[in-house]
Amino acid sequence: AQKITQTQPGMFVQEKEAVTLDCTYDTSDQSYGLFWYKQPSSGEMIFLIYQGSYDEQNATEGRYSLNFQKARKSANLVISASQLGDSAMYFCAMREGLENYGQNFVFGPGTRLSVLP
Amino acid sequence: GAVVSQHPSRVICKSGTSVKIECRSLDFQATTMFWYRQFPKQSLMLMATSNEGSKATYEQGVEKDKFLINHASLTLSTLTVTSAHPEDSSFYICSAKWDGLNEKLFFGSGTQLSVL
Repeated sequence: AQKITQTQPGMFVQEKEAVTLDCTYDTSDQSYGLFWYKQPSSGEMIFLIYQGSYDEQNATEGRYSLNFQKARKSANLVISASQLGDSAMYFCAMREGLENYGQNFVFGPGTRLSVLP
Repeated sequence: GAVVSQHPSRVICKSGTSVKIECRSLDFQATTMFWYRQFPKQSLMLMATSNEGSKATYEQGVEKDKFLINHASLTLSTLTVTSAHPEDSSFYICSAKWDGLNEKLFFGSGTQLSVL
């Protein structure tokens, strides 16, 4: 079964507008971490934001925020004020288990975001 | 921030030759590094987990004799594609696990392998 689901293979957004990239996950662990990575056309992976399963507040990093809804097992990425440089593949990932012990990272299939001028 | 250097970024080789890819954590020690393979427009596929000083753990379906992984130090892991064939052509990317708070993964910039 898919542990990470990203239902949007491709998304378009107008420059300066906000966009939400969906991610749902499946785990029976109580302790886990959720990550978002950006992969531009160059291929490298860039860490964007992290949310721990016990964090009560939604994570924010600059223009990125994570809409964490634990009961729904959803961890959507919100990008505010989109920029042309945001065009890339975006991967949602999950690390199951306790921090510093869990080594199982699982990636979703990714969403390709295209920002239109 | 933490940096992972991966080299080479692109390699073209003849069928039957071996190719070595290096992954270095530049400003932190990584007891665990991961090797992934990515086909065009697809997600990352974990190939193996590399632990310093011990044998790598390979995912199901990945040939350990073909994809040799060595993690000889806390800052260096290498992936050697032995007797490469055209079907091995792919984008290979490594990551190093930062054992600090929140246990992030930091990725190399990837290696595009083309086997002729």
